[in-house]
Amino acid sequence: DTEVTQTPKHLVMGMTNKKSLKCEQHMGHRAMYWYKQKAKKPPELMFVYSYEKLSINESVPSRFSPECPNSSLLNLHLHALQPEDSALYLCASSPLRGSGQHFGDGTRLSIL
Amino acid sequence: AQTVTQSQPEMSVQEAETVTLSCTYDTSESDYYLFWYKQPPSRQMILVIRQEAYKQQNATENRFSVNFQKAAKSFSLKISDSQLGDAAMYFCAYRSAYTDKLIFGTGTRLQVFP
Repeated sequence: DTEVTQTPKHLVMGMTNKKSLKCEQHMGHRAMYWYKQKAKKPPELMFVYSYEKLSINESVPSRFSPECPNSSLLNLHLHALQPEDSALYLCASSPLRGSGQHFGDGTRLSIL
Repeated sequence: AQTVTQSQPEMSVQEAETVTLSCTYDTSESDYYLFWYKQPPSRQMILVIRQEAYKQQNATENRFSVNFQKAAKSFSLKISDSQLGDAAMYFCAYRSAYTDKLIFGTGTRLQVFP
């Protein structure tokens, strides 16, 4: 069982839809992350929240909007996505800067 | 800027044998961490092993061990007594002691044959 829970596991949406991805961890980790991963490629960092504040935004298009309501939850709001946004979206958390990150199972997103 | 290079896109090993995956990195920093992650087809990224740059002793986790050569900026992963369940994509990753950003290599796909 993964300690970082992501929902939904699969999502199909049209380019005009609005949807949200959810990530939850109850390990007391101070940092949470969103990554985008294309097939056979390494994850690409999108956003980092540290102590519930956005600390890194890797120049992600505004159609992706992160939100950290509390220390255990991380959302990624999606709006007007493009077909090239189809990918696996991974959430991760970590306790301390030098610690490894714990990843969720990901959400497989398909844009029609 | 830091970079991580994995020069072996694919590797294969026979069950019970030993295999070594290569990773080199480039950085001007002295304080950092290195990781190996495993991603099986089930897609979850799993932390395999972690190395602190200021520790000379190579990290070991059961059948997994690293050969950390700081001067050469090399960080290879050795898998002993390979098992079918070791088949996966393996990513080497670098993390500065000063940021939250994890930098991944391009990955090595490991196949394990019975």
